Amino acid sequence: DIQMTQSPSTLSAPVGDRVTITCRASQSISSWLAWYQQKPGKAPNLLIYKASYLESGVPSRFSGSGSGTEFTLTITSLQPDDFATYYCQQYNSYPYTFGQGTKLEIK
Amino acid sequence: QVQLQESGPGLVKPSETLSLTCTVSGGSISSGYWSWIRQPPGKGLEWIGYIFYTGGTNYNPSLKSRVTISGDTSKNQFSLKLSSVTAADTAIYYCARHSGDDSFFDLWGQGTLVTVSS
Repeated sequence: DIQMTQSPSTLSAPVGDRVTITCRASQSISSWLAWYQQKPGKAPNLLIYKASYLESGVPSRFSGSGSGTEFTLTITSLQPDDFATYYCQQYNSYPYTFGQGTKLEIK
Repeated sequence: QVQLQESGPGLVKPSETLSLTCTVSGGSISSGYWSWIRQPPGKGLEWIGYIFYTGGTNYNPSLKSRVTISGDTSKNQFSLKLSSVTAADTAIYYCARHSGDDSFFDLWGQGTLVTVSS
């Protein structure tokens, strides 16, 4: 299985800040990576696919980059609605696997 | 607007079979891929498997010996069966739609908590 490792596990930042979350794959996954946001008690919500493509309806302050084994999710100008847990997911090969999550907290 | 809704027992006894159904409204399961994903309370996400609209399936090897995913196009539903459950199978179970022919998930059900306990 391809292991996905996110860092940091927890991130504290104030409203208005710019933050970056990193996701590393244990082997190359080309650009077959998605990012999700999950709020407490809710299902995950797709933000980014194919590493850098913004899902329709997702604010442009979210962006993704990377290829191969290292990927980043950047949120510019944090809004109160952005405080949640973020997961990366590889879909290069079976079984599809997720990172362990990064919890973004208000500072 | 397509919506997914999971249903099934919230409590299953150890060694028994967990059975859940995902009902798709506003759309049809007669195209594309449909997956089950689970999340133990307070933990991360695990892909369980998918069914293709033709009936083809693919399962996570870690669960393959215990999992069956099936579809009923007449009811616009697909189902999950997980046999010989233990406490480790306690989780929120989500059904989700793949985006086109890709294997990321653009639409999720709200999830249903299944607890394995005697």
